[in-house]
Amino acid sequence: AQTVTQSQPEMSVQEAETVTLSCTYDTSESDYYLFWYKQPPSRQMILVIRQEAYKQQNATENRFSVNFQKAAKSFSLKISDSQLGDAAMYFCAYRATQGGSEKLVFGKGTKLTVNP
Amino acid sequence: DTEVTQTPKHLVMGMTNKKSLKCEQHMGHRAMYWYKQKAKKPPELMFVYSYEKLSINESVPSRFSPECPNSSLLNLHLHALQPEDSALYLCASSQPWSWPGELFFGEGSRLTVL
Repeated sequence: AQTVTQSQPEMSVQEAETVTLSCTYDTSESDYYLFWYKQPPSRQMILVIRQEAYKQQNATENRFSVNFQKAAKSFSLKISDSQLGDAAMYFCAYRATQGGSEKLVFGKGTKLTVNP
Repeated sequence: DTEVTQTPKHLVMGMTNKKSLKCEQHMGHRAMYWYKQKAKKPPELMFVYSYEKLSINESVPSRFSPECPNSSLLNLHLHALQPEDSALYLCASSQPWSWPGELFFGEGSRLTVL
């Protein structure tokens, strides 16, 4: 079974600075999909960024980018120019298959605090 | 329209009540999901419907009964719940076997069982 590990329960960053959230995963599949989701106190899970494993180029979405290291099974999220609105729980997720269907397997999450 | 709509947003029920949570999406997705989330924890998968058929049941107690009347609607029927079932219940949808294939989540239904 696939597992996702986020080793940082909490992180903090100063406004306008850069922060990196860590994620590692375990899988025997060669092609798969990885995601970072954000869950602010308003509670809706919002997709931040996604990466397909066969693409060597790291995904980027505005201030958000990933460092995808397939051999190391690492998928970290970098947030540049942090803003107060970035404060949230961040979940790393792996898209797994089960019983002919798909599901997301989540890590335990990292709570990000942005200090003004 | 890229929304997943969940009702009600808040629900308080006694252990003997019967209630339902509802979820609706109009993105044409053919997979729908129920997740349960406790405070400061990640979402835990409960059920997956794919093409209106139940495809994953993560050994959820029978007091939770899912229903998928059509491709746009997903219900979760609740009966004889326990206080430990109090949680945020998230509905999500996706298009099966597609790229990028991410899940789109609703805002959740906050359930309190007294």
